[in-house]
Amino acid sequence: GESVGLHLPTLSVQEGDNSIINCAYSNSASDYFIWYKQESGKGPQFIIDIRSNMDKRQGQRVTVLLNKTVKHLSLQIAATQPGDSAVYFCAVDSGGSNYKLTFGKGTLLTVNP
Amino acid sequence: DAGITQSPRHKVTETGTPVTLRCHQTENHRYMYWYRQDPGHGLRLIHYSYGVKDTDKGEVSDGYSVSRSKTEDFLLTLESATSSQTSVYFCATRTSGSTDTQYFGPGTRLTVL
Repeated sequence: GESVGLHLPTLSVQEGDNSIINCAYSNSASDYFIWYKQESGKGPQFIIDIRSNMDKRQGQRVTVLLNKTVKHLSLQIAATQPGDSAVYFCAVDSGGSNYKLTFGKGTLLTVNP
Repeated sequence: DAGITQSPRHKVTETGTPVTLRCHQTENHRYMYWYRQDPGHGLRLIHYSYGVKDTDKGEVSDGYSVSRSKTEDFLLTLESATSSQTSVYFCATRTSGSTDTQYFGPGTRLTVL
């Protein structure tokens, strides 16, 4: 099966700085990776995804990097804003049937003004 | 939110009582999932459905059952609630497209006394 871990349960940054949140996975056959943002009292919200045939994908202020060699992915948030404060999860699809995801435990990002 | 609603949003019940949580979607997505979220564990899959009347177990299915009699509704039942089932429950849906992801509802906070 798949296991997904995060390096840091909490991350505190200053407003305007760049944030980097990391995730590690165990199954080298995993082929689809997603980052979710969860604000307090709400459901997880899709941010960005990447497939295993890519190394990097950019969105608005966010970039996901995938290193398949070491089974690691990261989420970079540029110019972090107070509204970015939330818990961030990575999720991994190992390519089995029915598109099931395995989630990491999450990193709480706190943005200080 | 992909048109996902969950009801009730909050519920307090007593040990031994049956509880049913409802997930309703308006997007005609084929796949539906039930997760629980607990501190220190992240999101864990309880059951999922890959079509009407087609369901299967996830990693933490003991004590739970599900039903899906129509595309838009996925019900999660706790036959006899226990305190260990106190949690926040999230429903997610997904299309059958290979490039899609899971979208989450707002969650149900369940407390079993």
